[in-house]
Amino acid sequence: AQKVTQAQTEISVVEKEDVTLDCVYETRDTTYYLFWYKQPPSGELVFLIRRNSFDEQNEISGRYSWNFQKSTSSFNFTITASQVVDSAVYFCALSGFSGYALNFGKGTSLLVTP
Amino acid sequence: DSGVTQTPKHLITATGQRVTLRCSPRSGDLSVYWYQQSLDQGLQFLIQYYNGEERAKGNILERFSAQQFPDLHSELNLSSLELGDSALYFCASSATSESYNEQFFGPGTRLTVL
Repeated sequence: AQKVTQAQTEISVVEKEDVTLDCVYETRDTTYYLFWYKQPPSGELVFLIRRNSFDEQNEISGRYSWNFQKSTSSFNFTITASQVVDSAVYFCALSGFSGYALNFGKGTSLLVTP
Repeated sequence: DSGVTQTPKHLITATGQRVTLRCSPRSGDLSVYWYQQSLDQGLQFLIQYYNGEERAKGNILERFSAQQFPDLHSELNLSSLELGDSALYFCASSATSESYNEQFFGPGTRLTVL
């Protein structure tokens, strides 16, 4: 069975602070894919990143960075110098090689205040 | 804008009724997924279609059914509605049925059952 745990339900930071959103996953597949999605207050789900299980390189995209560690089954997401527009619910998701759908964590609600 | 369209945006109906939610995938995408987002259950996969055929089933109730038409749009039918069916229903599409493809989500249909 596959499972994604986002232990942080809500996080509140002040603008310009760095913030890390944790994601821990469980899977028996040796090949799998990890994703992060953002759900702003408007409600749509926006794709942020995909990582496959064979690629442990960290990724940086502007103020966003992702740290994938197979040894700890974690795929954490860091926002540097947070902005009010980063306020959203962030979901980590897992897809196995033999499966087709995304298994989502419960999400972390991030509030960035001025 | 993800390129995935969903109609209607909002739907209010009564218990026992039947509704149909519609989804048009991104141009060229053959796979359509349906997800349900509720406060207690989070984001849950319901069903996937690929090029007109059912490919995978998740936590979809027997009262719910879906289909994908030759023009690749999909419909999710919900019948004998209960209060607990109130949720945000998302459609997503991807290029193929493979699990490594990122899924692009539509804006969702918010269903309220009174």
